[in-house]
Amino acid sequence: GAGVSQTPSNKVTEKGKYVELRCDPISGHTALYWYRQSLGQGPEFLIYFQGTGAADDSGLPNDRFFAVRPEGSVSTLKIQRTERGDSAVYLCASSFRGGNQETQYFGPGTRLLVL
Amino acid sequence: DQQVKQNSPSLSVQEGRISILNCDYTNSMFDYFLWYKKYPAEGPTFLISISSIKDKNEDGRFTVFLNKSAKHLSLHIVPSQPGDSAVYFCAASVAFGTSYGKLTFGQGTILTVHP
Repeated sequence: GAGVSQTPSNKVTEKGKYVELRCDPISGHTALYWYRQSLGQGPEFLIYFQGTGAADDSGLPNDRFFAVRPEGSVSTLKIQRTERGDSAVYLCASSFRGGNQETQYFGPGTRLLVL
Repeated sequence: DQQVKQNSPSLSVQEGRISILNCDYTNSMFDYFLWYKKYPAEGPTFLISISSIKDKNEDGRFTVFLNKSAKHLSLHIVPSQPGDSAVYFCAASVAFGTSYGKLTFGQGTILTVHP
C-alpha cells in the first residue's frame, strides 16, 4: 500500500513569501504529525492532528506557522512571511489512531530553502 | 534544552562486527523509547522500540538496551552489514497520558559500515 507522501519534495522561495506544504497520510490513519528537521539536528515536533482537529500545536514556533486538516486526511502546513531560519526539511508522519505506542510512519519530507 | 542526546555524531564499523549506538535522556517522564533509521532523501523508518518496564528488546540483528537509572539506552546491531549504513535517531515519548505519541528526537548518529 501507499505510504505517506509529501509535496513538493523541494521548495525554494524568497524571504517574505508564503508557502504551503502538503502531506497525504496513509489511508485510514486518523493521527497526523508534522515535524521539522534542521541541518544536523533530529526532527522536532510541530503539531499533531487527531482527525480534523489540531490536538497539540505546542511545537509551532510562532504565529507565522499554521496547519489545517479540513477533511481528516490531507494536511497542509502554511508558513507566512518566510524567514531564512525557516529553511529545513519538513516531515509529516501518520499513525493509525495516535496511540502513545503506535508506530509513526514518516513521509520523505519537503526540503524548504528560503533565500 | 536537548532532552534526548546522541553524543556521537558518527560511528564507523567493519562489516560483521558489532555496532553500538548510544543515547541519553534527561526527562524522567519519558517511558517509551524508539530507534529510527534514515537514508538520504527518505523519511525516518521505525526500527525498534522499548518500554520502560523492560530493560532489553530484541528483533533479529537489532537489540535495544535501557538503563533507567542512568537514563541511557543503546542500540546494538550484530552483525553489522553495509546496508545498515544510515543515520540513526533515538526518540522518546511519554507512553501514558495526553502526549499523543509526540516524539522527542536526538540529533542522530551517522553509521558507516565498511565492507
